[in-house]
Amino acid sequence: QSALTQPRSVSGSPGQSVTISCTGTNSDIGVYNYVSWYQQLPGKVPKLMIYDVSQRPSGVPDRFSGSKSGNTASLTISGLQAEDEADYYCCSYGGIYTYVFGTGTKVTVL
Amino acid sequence: QVQLLQSGDEVKKPGSPVKVSCKASGGTFSNYAFSWVRQAPGQGLEWVGGIMPVLDSATYAQKFQGNVTITADESTSTVYMELLSLRSEDTAIYYCARETTVTNWFDPWGQGTLITVSS
Repeated sequence: QSALTQPRSVSGSPGQSVTISCTGTNSDIGVYNYVSWYQQLPGKVPKLMIYDVSQRPSGVPDRFSGSKSGNTASLTISGLQAEDEADYYCCSYGGIYTYVFGTGTKVTVL
Repeated sequence: QVQLLQSGDEVKKPGSPVKVSCKASGGTFSNYAFSWVRQAPGQGLEWVGGIMPVLDSATYAQKFQGNVTITADESTSTVYMELLSLRSEDTAIYYCARETTVTNWFDPWGQGTLITVSS
């Protein structure tokens, strides 16, 4: 159960798009469409942003979108805003009621 | 609207146990599953383990097997995580988070409990 691999950081100017990758294996992302993404602002509790690969909970802006191809899931933030500056974590179901989180990505708005 | 309220921060000595609670309010407790997630200072999120109270069945990440016990009390809608023998590297914020028995994402989360292990 190794952590999913995410880039340490990504950055973009306001209005630009950024994409965060999340690479797993044939035992997690590659097998299950149960990838979720969490935003964590400094000192705050993680917040669900995407579930089931590409579904957005009520209240999450539609500039956040998710996708998956093979063993890699992605979170795209379109029209980047200053308030999007945070840490983002992916998470995948790993079978037999286990989960694994990604290593985390810091998004910086330039 | 489900809310999760965790017990307060604690300072413990190495080798001692600690038990953290997470009380769910709102909704039907038996419809839920709960996970515990750890975040060491300045580090990322790490899944510790989880429980489906209706099955009274807990699973754990391999790293935590044997060092953590997760239980649930349906009568009080409370889930517990016990760390059996603390080490300094267990210093972290521990979050409980809810799923349902048919969903595989975490929402909502508890406010977090800081466990500090220090001699």
